[in-house]
Amino acid sequence: DGGITQSPKYLFRKEGQNVTLSCEQNLNHDAMYWYRQDPGQGLRLIYYSQIVNDFQKGDIAEGYSVSREKKESFPLTVTSAQKNPTAFYLCASNRAGGIAGELFFGEGSRLTVL
Amino acid sequence: AQTVTQSQPEMSVQEAETVTLSCTYDTSESNYYLFWYKQPPSRQMILVIRQEAYKQQNATENRFSVNFQKAAKSFSLKISDSQLGDTAMYFCAFMKQMNYGGSQGNLIFGKGTKLSVKP
Repeated sequence: DGGITQSPKYLFRKEGQNVTLSCEQNLNHDAMYWYRQDPGQGLRLIYYSQIVNDFQKGDIAEGYSVSREKKESFPLTVTSAQKNPTAFYLCASNRAGGIAGELFFGEGSRLTVL
Repeated sequence: AQTVTQSQPEMSVQEAETVTLSCTYDTSESNYYLFWYKQPPSRQMILVIRQEAYKQQNATENRFSVNFQKAAKSFSLKISDSQLGDTAMYFCAFMKQMNYGGSQGNLIFGKGTKLSVKP
C-alpha cells in the first residue's frame, strides 16, 4: 500500500545526543515536510523540501537539520542544539500540482529526551 | 503573520447528534485556503474538508460542512450525525495562496479541539 512510513515510533535520547528520525514515502510525491506537534500547541513547520537536493527552513528550524538525497526519503536530525526536543514529530508529503494544502501524513515519531 | 485560533480545547457530543467546532483566523492576505484536519487516536492525520477563500459557497463533504464567514474571519466545522469514529483531535489550518512553484504545504495550524463522541 502507498503511504508514508516514519521510524522509529518511539525514541528516547539523553541530553546532548543527536538523533535522526526517518521518513520514507512511496507515493511518488515531490514535496515533503516535517512538522512538530506539542500538547496544546498544534503543529509547527520545521523544514520542507519541494525537490531532491533542495530544502527550506520552516518556522522553527533552529536545532534541526534535514537532507533530501532521494525523492522518497526526508530524514530529520534533532541536534543537541535544540533546546526542547521532546515532542511528537510528523512527516508529510504532497504532489506537485495536487490539491493545494492537502498533506498526507505519517503516523509520527515520539521523541523523549531523558 | 497569520494566526489560527481554536477556542474550544475539548468538546463532546452524543452519537447521532450534531456538533460545531469553531475556528477564527487572522490574515491580511486576500487569497488563501482553509482546512480542517482530523487526527484520530494513534492514527494518521487526514484532511477532512477544504475551502478556497474566493469561493462564497460553503464546502461540504458528506456529514462534514463548514460555515465560512470571510468578513468575520471565521471558519467553523459542522459534523452531522456524529459517529464514534469521529472521535479525534480536529485542527483548523490556514495556507496563503502561493505563486506558481511555491510550496503547497506550508500550513498554519490552530491548537486543536479534542472531540469525543459518546455512545
